[in-house]
Amino acid sequence: DAGITQSPRHKVTETGTPVTLRCHQTENHRYMYWYRQDPGHGLRLIHYSYGVKDTDKGEVSDGYSVSRSKTEDFLLTLESATSSQTSVYFCAISPRGDSYNEQFFGPGTRLTVL
Amino acid sequence: QKEVEQNSGPLSVPEGAIASLNCTYSDRGSQSFFWYRQYSGKSPELIMFIYSNGDKEDGRFTAQLNKASQYVSLLIRDSQPSDSATYLCAVVYGNKLVFGAGTILRVKS
Repeated sequence: DAGITQSPRHKVTETGTPVTLRCHQTENHRYMYWYRQDPGHGLRLIHYSYGVKDTDKGEVSDGYSVSRSKTEDFLLTLESATSSQTSVYFCAISPRGDSYNEQFFGPGTRLTVL
Repeated sequence: QKEVEQNSGPLSVPEGAIASLNCTYSDRGSQSFFWYRQYSGKSPELIMFIYSNGDKEDGRFTAQLNKASQYVSLLIRDSQPSDSATYLCAVVYGNKLVFGAGTILRVKS
């Protein structure tokens, strides 16, 4: 499992509430990623990080923010959750982060926004 | 828009047969290509990567890359029921992975 944990694993929340998902890695990799996975869309990149305090947007970043204050932790925040953010969220790490970008995934968080 | 296209399936093959999964991509400049396997309710698992034109074999899996035609394929020989899963093709654009929506494979015993 590449030393990646995600918490919580399941969460049900209500529209308009803030939600924070945590990704934790034990191998000090520089590159970390947040994806969401929805039926028919595959995995889509939300945000990624290439070091402590260094983050950038992905394909579907609207409504999400991230923070990385320590190498091992990458947090994804939904400031005000909406039903369209109901999804499965995966964190990934990469030892390289370049054009040979092998990525390894955490177990996922299933989020339901009512 | 960087695109990765896969047939959603399901692709059904009998046990012991060869399963052939295909993927096309839009950017000729892409250098790296990956195949992930995802069982229902689980996270994607990297099973193959290929960087150069031609074939790359690993056990029962063979990845094939044709950059001129912009396609990458995955062959699974001697398919087993345990191979039943969704297979995701992923292509590196710049420093980011772009995934196809996946092909569902069903191996019938």
